[in-house]
Amino acid sequence: AQSVTQLDSQVPVFEEAPVELRCNYSSSVSVYLFWYVQYPNQGLQLLLKYLSGSTLVKGINGFEAEFNKSQTSFHLRKPSVHISDTAEYFCAVSGYNFNKFYFGSGTKLNVKP
Amino acid sequence: SQTIHQWPATLVQPVGSPLSLECTVEGTSNPNLYWYRQAAGRGLQLLFYSVGIGQISSEVPQNLSASRPQDRQFILSSKKLLLSDSGFYLCAWSPGGHTFGSGTRLTVV
Repeated sequence: AQSVTQLDSQVPVFEEAPVELRCNYSSSVSVYLFWYVQYPNQGLQLLLKYLSGSTLVKGINGFEAEFNKSQTSFHLRKPSVHISDTAEYFCAVSGYNFNKFYFGSGTKLNVKP
Repeated sequence: SQTIHQWPATLVQPVGSPLSLECTVEGTSNPNLYWYRQAAGRGLQLLFYSVGIGQISSEVPQNLSASRPQDRQFILSSKKLLLSDSGFYLCAWSPGGHTFGSGTRLTVV
């Protein structure tokens, strides 16, 4: 079975500052990794995913994440955040069959002016 | 293109009443389908997933059930709602990463 840990429940940051949202996973098998964003009262939207290839993955809205197998991490980064990035972010893993996904508990990013 | 429809958007139901939430997917065939619940201030809890018609896997024993009567239709039901069933219910389809519906906010009163 897999599990996901998002180490920070809330991250406050000022506009135009860089941000990193941390995600660690545990699994006895190889996994696929995902980041999702959720705006208030909406469903989740896929930001980016790592399936194979380059460990640095670029997604929408200027976000990127790096897969580190030795650290079992998949941290999400953005060099300069905007007010509109205020939302909750979820890290997730799945096995290669995509049958089951395991989500972290979420990190609320609060961008301040 | 693939789209996912989930309704209703909001629902207020009394304790003990039945529940039926519907999710349909368009533009794909034989998708994996999922129901999640998101309680206030908490992450996503996988309730059910389905890899085909009539195939339902339950992740958490509780007051809810799911059915997949057609390839692209996934229904979440309850015979008698509890207060603890309140939450934000999300349907999703796969593979390749989830695409989520817009969610149903259920309040049991």
